[in-house]
Amino acid sequence: QQPVQSPQAVILREGEDAVINCSSSKALYSVHWYRQKHGEAPVFLMILLKGGEQKGHEKISASFNEKKQQSSLYLTASQLSYSGTYFCGTEFRSGGGADGLTFGKGTHLIIQP
Amino acid sequence: KAGVTQTPRYLIKTRGQQVTLSCSPISGHRSVSWYQQTPGQGLQFLFEYFSETQRNKGNFPGRFSGRQFSNSRSEMNVSTLELGDSALYLCASSLDPTSPGELFFGEGSRLTVL
Repeated sequence: QQPVQSPQAVILREGEDAVINCSSSKALYSVHWYRQKHGEAPVFLMILLKGGEQKGHEKISASFNEKKQQSSLYLTASQLSYSGTYFCGTEFRSGGGADGLTFGKGTHLIIQP
Repeated sequence: KAGVTQTPRYLIKTRGQQVTLSCSPISGHRSVSWYQQTPGQGLQFLFEYFSETQRNKGNFPGRFSGRQFSNSRSEMNVSTLELGDSALYLCASSLDPTSPGELFFGEGSRLTVL
């Protein structure tokens, strides 16, 4: 099941904050966040694991609510370089193995000077 | 160290033809995943290979197939191309698919079906 991301798009001024949400209807093992700039490959930002462990980017934070099967990505004091499309990828586990990442449709973030 | 390399970068095919795309993962990475990216649909998982074995498969018709070689390089094949197969096909490699970790994406192969 593809996770649902919101909002679909957001336009901010440089220095403003943004929150991107990702929700799943299925119990999650981990949530992954990637950013893709136009014409480039997606780049890893962060992984949040069931149980609270978090690995990733220094200037971007995220949360993972296991009860609600939701994750939120927080971009504070946004910079022009933050513009791009953000994807959350959800991972489930069944039978002890990973089921592969399922990505949402993405959130387009535009930062204006 | 070299990143994920995908070839060809661009290709144009006509309906009914078949296409083979290639992916060379980062040295030492044994897991390769393939994704289809289209406007409005995001990244859709095709399949994942590890040590020459398909570990997971997405919800795509049997026209989409793949394989992995002993050197971890991977190919995906789409037969009997349809207009809706036009997309950016991304390959990603990782060290170990059994442990959550970073995916390293290639720049993709952009397929246009006429």
